[in-house]
Amino acid sequence: EPEVTQTPSHQVTQMGQEVILRCVPISNHLYFYWYRQILGQKVEFLVSFYNNEISEKSEIFDDQFSVERPDGSNFTLKIRSTKLEDSAMYFCASMRGKVWNSPLHFGNGTRLTVT
Amino acid sequence: QQPVQSPQAVILREGEDAVINCSSSKALYSVHWYRQKHGEAPVFLMILLKGGEQKGHEKISASFNEKKQQSSLYLTASQLSYSGTYFCGTEIINYGGSQGNLIFGKGTKLSVKP
Repeated sequence: EPEVTQTPSHQVTQMGQEVILRCVPISNHLYFYWYRQILGQKVEFLVSFYNNEISEKSEIFDDQFSVERPDGSNFTLKIRSTKLEDSAMYFCASMRGKVWNSPLHFGNGTRLTVT
Repeated sequence: QQPVQSPQAVILREGEDAVINCSSSKALYSVHWYRQKHGEAPVFLMILLKGGEQKGHEKISASFNEKKQQSSLYLTASQLSYSGTYFCGTEIINYGGSQGNLIFGKGTKLSVKP
């Protein structure tokens, strides 16, 4: 069964550094998302991406965050200047169609640790 | 906008039943249910659409009451494998259409003991 793949599985970085989290969504999916989960807490929506542009973003997704789909397969999340509170598990997810008729497929996540 | 899930945690013996509730203050287009095991990604269980419906998935079923903006997940004759955290994800109606993303509740931690 096709999967969403994320790399790296664990990223350790120093406060103030830039990080890029990478994702390869399922190939025939059209909608792409980033969520994050602080340890043991809720899964928080960051951003949705469709047709090569951001369709929705949350309050968390401020100017420090950006997303890109540089080619036909990769989908990246960049954090320009990481803060301690950015430490979390970041999940990429993709969806084949509209939310009301398509499951959300999550990758296994990238655990980001900011020291 | 975040849906409210209850209870926060449930402990069951194998074979017992449980109900997990999800309610929203906003009108909903659809509700998704996911299960997350410790250290893993959330996994899709089912989608329910506005219009009110009930769905089943093995011994796990769910209902969606559009008027009350509530959904409930029913786990019957629970098995050890049902342990995990259950999240509802809500798709809010925005300007007459879908907001286009899912907002998740805080989750309900279910522990099934032998």
